[in-house]
Amino acid sequence: GAVVSQHPSRVICKSGTSVKIECRSLDFQATTMFWYRQFPKQSLMLMATSNEGSKATYEQGVEKDKFLINHASLTLSTLTVTSAHPEDSSFYICSANDGRRSEETQYFGPGTRLLVL
Amino acid sequence: QKEVEQDPGPLSVPEGAIVSLNCTYSNSAFQYFMWYRQYSRKGPELLMYTYSSGNKEDGRFTAQVDKSSKYISLFIRDSQPSDSATYLCAMSGQAGTALIFGKGTTLSVSS
Repeated sequence: GAVVSQHPSRVICKSGTSVKIECRSLDFQATTMFWYRQFPKQSLMLMATSNEGSKATYEQGVEKDKFLINHASLTLSTLTVTSAHPEDSSFYICSANDGRRSEETQYFGPGTRLLVL
Repeated sequence: QKEVEQDPGPLSVPEGAIVSLNCTYSNSAFQYFMWYRQYSRKGPELLMYTYSSGNKEDGRFTAQVDKSSKYISLFIRDSQPSDSATYLCAMSGQAGTALIFGKGTTLSVSS
């Protein structure tokens, strides 16, 4: 299947700092990528839809000024958590559609575990 | 009512058992249905994909979709300890849109 990577896989930071997470589609181009957040023992909750060359679309309740998304190329989307606080500690996962395939499926990255102290 | 309901379990079975995992949903517009497997601290891995109603089989896995009942299932035959993971159902109504996930069912297969 298609491959999506994320970097870093794990980050620990101090409260008030900003953290950037990268999501890359390694063997296909993705005009749209999705960012999800998953708290312990919870399901994946969509945060925003990242569109190449345009502004991201945020879900209700997600602060766009806090979670900055940039989708500058067809293979890279970044999520920056600005002024991170302990409540932002979570598992952040991106996904992308492989438009080459006729099946409507999304492939997920391995996730980034963020811990804010 | 949540859009997608999934019993979180946990579900414990002995090796070799047949496992049945299910989700119900309320939005009749959903037409793309997927099952993902997620190991602890890892991203979800696509297991099965089904468009609209019907059955799909892949090795020990069978996915069923009954749109009239708004009910989808994943069957695992001859379950193995390596199948121990959280299984997430996911669905969407339009191509290229984000997925709506169930809460996930935690499965434990003992040897």
